[in-house]
Amino acid sequence: EVHLLESGGGLVQPGGSLRLSCEASGFTLSTYTMRWVRQAPGKGLEWISGICGKDDTTSYADSVKGRFTVSRDNSKNTLYLQMNSLRVEDTALYYCGRAQGASCYSVVDHWGQGKLVTVSS
Amino acid sequence: DIVMTQSPDSLAVSLGERATINCKSSQTVFFSSNNKNYLAWYQQKPGQPPKLLIYWASTRESGVPDRFSGSGSGTDFTLTISSLQAEDVAVYFCHQYYSLPQSFGQGTKLEIK
Repeated sequence: EVHLLESGGGLVQPGGSLRLSCEASGFTLSTYTMRWVRQAPGKGLEWISGICGKDDTTSYADSVKGRFTVSRDNSKNTLYLQMNSLRVEDTALYYCGRAQGASCYSVVDHWGQGKLVTVSS
Repeated sequence: DIVMTQSPDSLAVSLGERATINCKSSQTVFFSSNNKNYLAWYQQKPGQPPKLLIYWASTRESGVPDRFSGSGSGTDFTLTISSLQAEDVAVYFCHQYYSLPQSFGQGTKLEIK
């Protein structure tokens, strides 16, 4: 059974850093495209980053480009999101998701439960 | 960037009645090389992550009840719930995965009348 477990969220001051982890089980992380999507309190869904299964190409939303970095450790079957220079507007519930395959353009069919990141002084 | 716009923002339907949610993309999400629309629908209930209902605009995800159906092509899409059940109360999002940055509609809140 596919399972995604996020960790690493919490409260951080503006300008600070956090690293989110997404530990995968039930499948081999390296063979799937993975994505990060966030949801600000009471708001909709925002795609922020992805890493393709077939070639490890990474992509970012303009809102996080240059500040966030997605990566994965295949030996630990874990996806990461390094978040630097955090802003108040980055406050959100962060979900990691597994796409249906290795294609960069496949849809996410499994999600973690999400991890809350709060940026506040 | 492709902007996804859903209508209505909220919807109240009686149990057993049909619910229809529309989604319009600012550019086509149809890829002629494989004849597919890169459009998905998600359902989200409070305190839960999104759940995939429909992908390729009209393909139902495994385990999703057949009262859920998706239609449309190009820039105009529809999610239909043929006979609303109490457990269908949720927010529904359309999502394009045709091009980067990927994007979601603003969501449609579905309630029981």
